[in-house]
Amino acid sequence: DQQVKQNSPSLSVQEGRISILNCDYTNSMFDYFLWYKKYPAEGPTFLISISSIKDKNEDGRFTVFLNKSAKHLSLHIVPSQPGDSAVYFCAASAYNQGGKLIFGQGTELSVKP
Amino acid sequence: ETGVTQSPTHLIKTRGQQVTLRCSSQSGHNTVSWYQQALGQGPQFIFQYYREEENGRGNFPPRFSGLQFPNYSSELNVNALELDDSALYLCASSLGGFQETQYFGPGTRLLVL
Repeated sequence: DQQVKQNSPSLSVQEGRISILNCDYTNSMFDYFLWYKKYPAEGPTFLISISSIKDKNEDGRFTVFLNKSAKHLSLHIVPSQPGDSAVYFCAASAYNQGGKLIFGQGTELSVKP
Repeated sequence: ETGVTQSPTHLIKTRGQQVTLRCSSQSGHNTVSWYQQALGQGPQFIFQYYREEENGRGNFPPRFSGLQFPNYSSELNVNALELDDSALYLCASSLGGFQETQYFGPGTRLLVL
């Protein structure tokens, strides 16, 4: 049972344009959501998070949107840069699950110069 | 501030052997979580330790066991290795409170032959 899904395995975007990565979840108990970026041969690097009491959180070029009714979140990167090319994972946790993060399968973003 | 470190970086074992992986948490963090990432998948939660006690466990058999030390570093032990245990093993540390972000180490790549 895949509670967190990233339905697009890959995404290609031109440098300077917006990248939009999507994530869907099924468990309504999730109350904290995170995005991580992963380069080959490295561990995931934390990017940005959002609590379920908010619908938007911004940090520089990165914005995360949460739509609780649709059980959907998205990560917007504006403007996209070649260095953003990596695999992006969304993850979710619930207050009653002891800090366990549930990850999606990842979306590989390629930003072309 | 020192980040999360893991050792060794790579390891090759044969089926039936036992392995111990190590993790040093980020300075000030008292919680360590372990994840297994198979190729092409998102990380899967193995277990979490908070102040030397197991604080949650994922869907992994008992041959996966762990330990946390008074300095909050941690070990993951896997007995009776199987071919399917070949994966990237990730350690993450956090402050252990409500909606605390987990920060990952670079991982240990385990190959079971």
